Amino acid sequence: GAVVSQHPSWVICKSGTSVKIECRSLDFQATTMFWYRQFPKQSLMLMATSNEGSKATYEQGVEKDKFLINHASLTLSTLTVTSAHPEDSSFYICSASDRAGVREQFFGPGTRLTVL
Amino acid sequence: QKEVEQNSGPLSVPEGAIASLNCTYSDRGSQSFFWYRQYSGKSPELIMSIYSNGDKEDGRFTAQLNKASQYVSLLIRDSQPSDSATYLCAVNGGKLVFGAGTILRVKS
Repeated sequence: GAVVSQHPSWVICKSGTSVKIECRSLDFQATTMFWYRQFPKQSLMLMATSNEGSKATYEQGVEKDKFLINHASLTLSTLTVTSAHPEDSSFYICSASDRAGVREQFFGPGTRLTVL
Repeated sequence: QKEVEQNSGPLSVPEGAIASLNCTYSDRGSQSFFWYRQYSGKSPELIMSIYSNGDKEDGRFTAQLNKASQYVSLLIRDSQPSDSATYLCAVNGGKLVFGAGTILRVKS
């Protein structure tokens, strides 16, 4: 149980374009979903927390107009990187929790974004 | 600022030995503690969770929590080369905060 999928697993795009990443909980309803970014040899940095049907809560320093998060249902959240630039190249990982508040989080396999 | 500290390593142990990974945290109000394993290029995988003081065992893994000392550890018995990975300590004090991770290398 507790399987989270992400799509795509990797994407290469040109600078200035937008990229959408999907995160799905396959066998449970995700009360809360989280989006992380991880640069090489660094730990995970939380970007935002989203609850189904409400606006995402962004961490300090994360541009909400650049990283659009939609949590339309209890099994799907999307992250759209708008007007991507090379410095946005990173490993983006979503996670999901099936309980209100933070208990265990189950991670998706991640999406590696490369912006040329 | 809530912090989670881990020794970055690498921690090298011979195959079959016990690997001991440590973590300290700053937020005394933290209630939940987790250990994740992350292989290079992959996302983290939850291996242990612990919520109360003491030890929790699951197979070759034992998590230890001491809230008074704000300390959580992970013991891996009979270490295998496949255990070589980065181990992330995560602490929930309202939101999950990750340490930078400890690189473990198990030599055969």
